[in-house]
Amino acid sequence: AQSVTQLGSHVSVSEGALVLLRCNYSSSVPPYLFWYVQYPNQGLQLLLKYTTGATLVKGINGFEAEFKKSETSFHLTKPSAHMSDAAEYFCAVSDGGNNRKLIWGLGTSLAVNP
Amino acid sequence: GAVVSQHPSRVICKSGTSVKIECRSLDFQATTMFWYRQFPKQSLMLMATSNEGSKATYEQGVEKDKFLINHASLTLSTLTVTSAHPEDSSFYICSAVDRETQYFGPGTRLLVL
Repeated sequence: AQSVTQLGSHVSVSEGALVLLRCNYSSSVPPYLFWYVQYPNQGLQLLLKYTTGATLVKGINGFEAEFKKSETSFHLTKPSAHMSDAAEYFCAVSDGGNNRKLIWGLGTSLAVNP
Repeated sequence: GAVVSQHPSRVICKSGTSVKIECRSLDFQATTMFWYRQFPKQSLMLMATSNEGSKATYEQGVEKDKFLINHASLTLSTLTVTSAHPEDSSFYICSAVDRETQYFGPGTRLLVL
């Protein structure tokens, strides 16, 4: 079985500061890992994903994440936070199988202070 | 690319009526679509997997007779909430699969009075 843990349901940073959102997973098979962002009253937008290959993945809006198998982690980072980054962030894992189901973390709410 | 639309974005209905929500993949074909429900300040709850040309697969605890899913084509899945009650009020989100990735619609806010 797979699971996802997002450490910190709420994270607050100052504008211009580093953003670090933590995600740890468990999986008995090589995982596919995803980060999505959700703005209020909207659907989810894919930020980035890791399937195979390079472990450092770059996504949209300046975000990146690194797959660390030894630590079973896929933390999301951005060097400099913008006010527009304030949103809910979800980490998810799948087994890459045909059913394409995602196992979701509980989400992290990011607040950006001026 | 990979755009998914949902219609309507918001619907208010009376208790006992049925509501249909459409989910379309606009620039790709999706054999598989998913339907989720999201409560305020919570993560997504998977309701069912919709496969084109076959019956939907429902998650445990989801009433298949209440939440009817039809995946009639490779670009369209519909969710019908039958005999809606106030407890069905929620935010419903669909996703469509393109290769290994789910792409999400903008969601439908359902309010049952």
